[in-house]
Amino acid sequence: KQEVTQIPAALSVPEGENLVLNCSFTDSAIYNLQWFRQDPGKGLTSLLLIQSSQREQTSGRLNASLDKSSGRSTLYIAASQPGDSATYLCAVNATNKLIFGTGTLLAVQP
Amino acid sequence: DVKVTQSSRYLVKRTGEKVFLECVQDMDHENMFWYRQDPGLGLRLIYFSYDVKMKEKGDIPEGYSVSREKKERFSLILESASTNQTSMYLCASSFPGIGGEKLFFGSGTQLSVL
Repeated sequence: KQEVTQIPAALSVPEGENLVLNCSFTDSAIYNLQWFRQDPGKGLTSLLLIQSSQREQTSGRLNASLDKSSGRSTLYIAASQPGDSATYLCAVNATNKLIFGTGTLLAVQP
Repeated sequence: DVKVTQSSRYLVKRTGEKVFLECVQDMDHENMFWYRQDPGLGLRLIYFSYDVKMKEKGDIPEGYSVSREKKERFSLILESASTNQTSMYLCASSFPGIGGEKLFFGSGTQLSVL
């Protein structure tokens, strides 16, 4: 059974720092992996989607990488800002259904 | 922009009531999903649908049913609400594709069952 883990559960960094969020999954047979952002009490916003044949995707200050063989993905945020504070979730698509991690709560201190 | 609209932001119901949660999307997506989100447990899939009048059970369907009479609307029904169904409910939609496409979420319904 596919399991998705995100470590750390919470992270606090000063503004301007570059940071990496981690996501690991137990079964490498996936179609794609998505990273989402969730603000408190709100729904999820899709940030990046990486297909299984891709190694990375970039959008602005965000870069997501995928290493299927090791069951890992990272989300790199460059030059963090207080507005980046949110919960970040990764989700793997293995059987046309998404399996979510429990997220990393990021706080960027001004 | 894709819009997924959930009819209620907050809902308070009593134990035993029948509860309807409505979700509408405006992008002609075939796929629609209902998740619940609980602290420490993350998002769990309740039901999903790949087409009108079609439904599939997710990981935690017990105590729930769904209806998809029109392509743009996917309703989640709690037949007899119980306190353990207090949760944040999230609806999502996507286009079909090999392995699935990007998922778009509504803003959620926080349901409290007293």
